[in-house]
Parts: sequence; C-alpha cells; structure tokens
Amino acid sequence: AQRVTQPEKLLSVFKGAPVELKCNYSYSGSPELFWYVQYSRQRLQLLLRHISRESIKGFTADLNKGETSFHLKKPFAQEEDSAMYYCALITVQGAQKLVFGQGTRLTINP
Amino acid sequence: EADIYQTPRYLVIGTGKKITLECSQTMGHDKMYWYQQDPGMELHLIHYSYGVNSTEKGDLSSESTVSRIRTEHFPLTLESARPSHTSQYLCASSPLAGVYNEQFFGPGTRLTVL
Repeated sequence: AQRVTQPEKLLSVFKGAPVELKCNYSYSGSPELFWYVQYSRQRLQLLLRHISRESIKGFTADLNKGETSFHLKKPFAQEEDSAMYYCALITVQGAQKLVFGQGTRLTINP
Repeated sequence: EADIYQTPRYLVIGTGKKITLECSQTMGHDKMYWYQQDPGMELHLIHYSYGVNSTEKGDLSSESTVSRIRTEHFPLTLESARPSHTSQYLCASSPLAGVYNEQFFGPGTRLTVL
C-alpha cells in the first residue's frame, strides 16, 4: 500500500538558515511526488513536482529511490516561507489519486 | 475568473440533520475530488469523479455520498450528520489529460456537528 510519512509535525528555523523538510514514501510502483503548501489563510496549492525538476521560491526536492525519500530543501529560509507543507505521491496505476503525508508546519523565526 | 468554490465555508449543525456541501469549479476540469482532513492530520481522499455520471469512493471510508450531474458541480451529501463527521472538507479539481497534473483546491468547508 502507498504511504507518505513526514516525521516532523513542527519545524522551526531562523531566517537565513537552511531548511529541510523530510518526506519518506512507500509505494510498490514508480512514484511521482509532489510538495503542496498552505500559507496562512490561503488554499492548499502546489509548490513543486518531481517530474518538472524545478526550483520554486528557492525550494528544491530530490527523489532518492534508494532511501525512498523526497526531502524539500531551501538554502536560506525567509519569513514568508512559514506555512504548512505536505508531501504527496500520486498513484499511477488505476485511478490517479494523491496520497498525502501528515504535513509539517514550518515556522521561520526572524 | 477560473476558480474553485466551496460553500458554506463554515457550518455548525445538530446531529441527525441532512447537509450538502457545495463545490463548483470554473476551471473547465473533468476530474474532481473530495478530501477530508482532521486537525493536524493528513488529507484523505473520500470521493472522486472523472466526469459527468462518474463517481468513485476514495481511500477513506465515508458515509457521505456525491453526485456529478454537471461537469462543474460536485456536491457532497451527508444524510444524517453525526459528531464523528466533524472535520474539514476540501474539494479539488484537475484536468483529465495527463497523470501528473496539479490538483487545484478550494478554500474548504469546516463542518462541526454538535
């Protein structure tokens, strides 16, 4: 069965410090992974997806199939990065459904 | 403007009442989804649809039902609300073509059943 685990419910770093939000997954097939973000009083929205190999707002995420991880990283955190972050994978076989992790609340301290 | 709408945003209701949570989108998307999210927990898919007259149950068992009579409309109904139904309900949509398409989310309905 597919599963996404985000081990940290809360993460607090200082502005300018590097940040890494952890995500591990279990999936029998070849996964496609996403990071979604929810800023305060805003909707859940896509931050980045693995297949696009993109960097959005300074964030990157590398898929490590050996470690079954898709950690989200940013070298220098900014206060506006404070938000709730969800890692998700999409099931490619059958119905294409998103499976979400529990989320990590990131707080950037000034 | 292309968007996805949910009404009501907040609902407090007594046990046993029938409720319908509305979701409409003007994105032109075929796929629509309902997720349930308890505070501090992950989102769980409870229903999805690939188009008109298509509805499927998601991974999380739910006593709610859905219908898809029009492409843009995907309402969720609880025939008899119970306190265990208290949660946030998120509606989302995505294009039919392509596997890795972004899902666009509505603002959510926070339901409290007393």
